[in-house]
Amino acid sequence: SAVISQKPSRDICQRGTSLTIQCQVDSQVTMMFWYRQQPGQSLTLIATANQGSEATYESGFVIDKFPISRPNLTFSTLTVSNMSPEDSSIYLCSAIREEALDEQYFGPGTRLTVT
Amino acid sequence: AQSVTQLGSHVSVSEGALVLLRCNYSSSVPPYLFWYVQYPNQGLQLLLKYTSAATLVKGINGFEAEFKKSETSFHLTKPSAHMSDAAEYFCAVSAYSSASKIIFGSGTRLSIRP
Repeated sequence: SAVISQKPSRDICQRGTSLTIQCQVDSQVTMMFWYRQQPGQSLTLIATANQGSEATYESGFVIDKFPISRPNLTFSTLTVSNMSPEDSSIYLCSAIREEALDEQYFGPGTRLTVT
Repeated sequence: AQSVTQLGSHVSVSEGALVLLRCNYSSSVPPYLFWYVQYPNQGLQLLLKYTSAATLVKGINGFEAEFKKSETSFHLTKPSAHMSDAAEYFCAVSAYSSASKIIFGSGTRLSIRP
């Protein structure tokens, strides 16, 4: 399995500011993803974090709002830029290992509240 | 394209009763199918997965699910509900045979009555 940690676990931010969320995996993984879970809703994929290249964003999400980095095979960051109250959500990181392509592991999530 | 539909946003059963959470999928390629559980204020935990082996899949905590291609369904069951089963359950689909993004259903909140 892969153990994923996220920092911070929660934060309260003012509108117009930015927050960077870190995702660390305890082993090398082949793919990493970022999801958003708005209050009372399901998970929506934001983007696939590609190692050494630009992330691949899903429809409705753009790099200027959610810049993503993945400098190596165990670490990724998601920045939520110019935040508004609508960005209040749980943001989850996930990963897939080369040895188990059919299983995706999730981090505990970062609970963001924008005031 | 792939999608998942979970029937019933909220299911309530008595302790000891059968749990049945419904999931139907749509996929243009053979799918991988998953059930995840999310306990309050926690991350997602994989309950079980179907990856084209046995159609009846057994998972953790006594849950199981059956893949029915003819019905495009992957319903989750547990013979006897326990109070600790109260949580949010998500059905999900991804493309078969490759590491790919997972598409989640809208979720079903399971409540257990004493």
